[in-house]
Amino acid sequence: DAGVTQSPTHLIKTRGQQVTLRCSPKSGHDTVSWYQQALGQGPQFIFQYYEEEERQRGNFPDRFSGHQFPNYSSELNVNALLLGDSALYLCASSLDWRLRGANVLTFGAGSRLTVL
Amino acid sequence: GESVGLHLPTLSVQEGDNSIINCAYSNSASDYFIWYKQESGKGPQFIIDIRSNMDKRQGQRVTVLLNKTVKHLSLQIAATQPGDSAVYFCAENIAIYNFNKFYFGSGTKLNVKP
Repeated sequence: DAGVTQSPTHLIKTRGQQVTLRCSPKSGHDTVSWYQQALGQGPQFIFQYYEEEERQRGNFPDRFSGHQFPNYSSELNVNALLLGDSALYLCASSLDWRLRGANVLTFGAGSRLTVL
Repeated sequence: GESVGLHLPTLSVQEGDNSIINCAYSNSASDYFIWYKQESGKGPQFIIDIRSNMDKRQGQRVTVLLNKTVKHLSLQIAATQPGDSAVYFCAENIAIYNFNKFYFGSGTKLNVKP
């Protein structure tokens, strides 16, 4: 089982640019959540996707958007990058809570974004 | 968001000693808690979880204690090893939101001295 895979692992962008990050969930998982982790901080919830729809969103601006595909993989897009967007972006997959109630998030290794 | 905080940002222990990492949460509606370990350059890794209908759960060398009265969670690591050096996060899920959304604390760094 490959677990959660994310790409790219590292990338550097300049202010104003756009970025797309990709995630493949753990086999058998159907729900994907994205988190932003600033240096020295805990992960902060961005949004969650289930059945190709955004189900819940954290306190992030509309510059952050996402998508989930029929095979459950997901993308995170960030437009008009700011210096403060520099962070580790984590993808986590899980089972739909309606089946199991709250259950474990399995995280990928993350994509390290640096905005210059 | 809700507040999930840790009492000590850094904890240093001697190899072989027991470690205790503490976490406070603020929402009494939280129904499920997870401890994660994050090593440098890696994503958070599941250690142990506990639901609000329990007050203690044991794993291999780890024990989680939940005190709902004071909204406190702790992670105990027995016979701490150098490989336990990492940042530890507690995460809470709040049932009223009815989906798998977790709030994370800012983490405690555990340093294990040989």
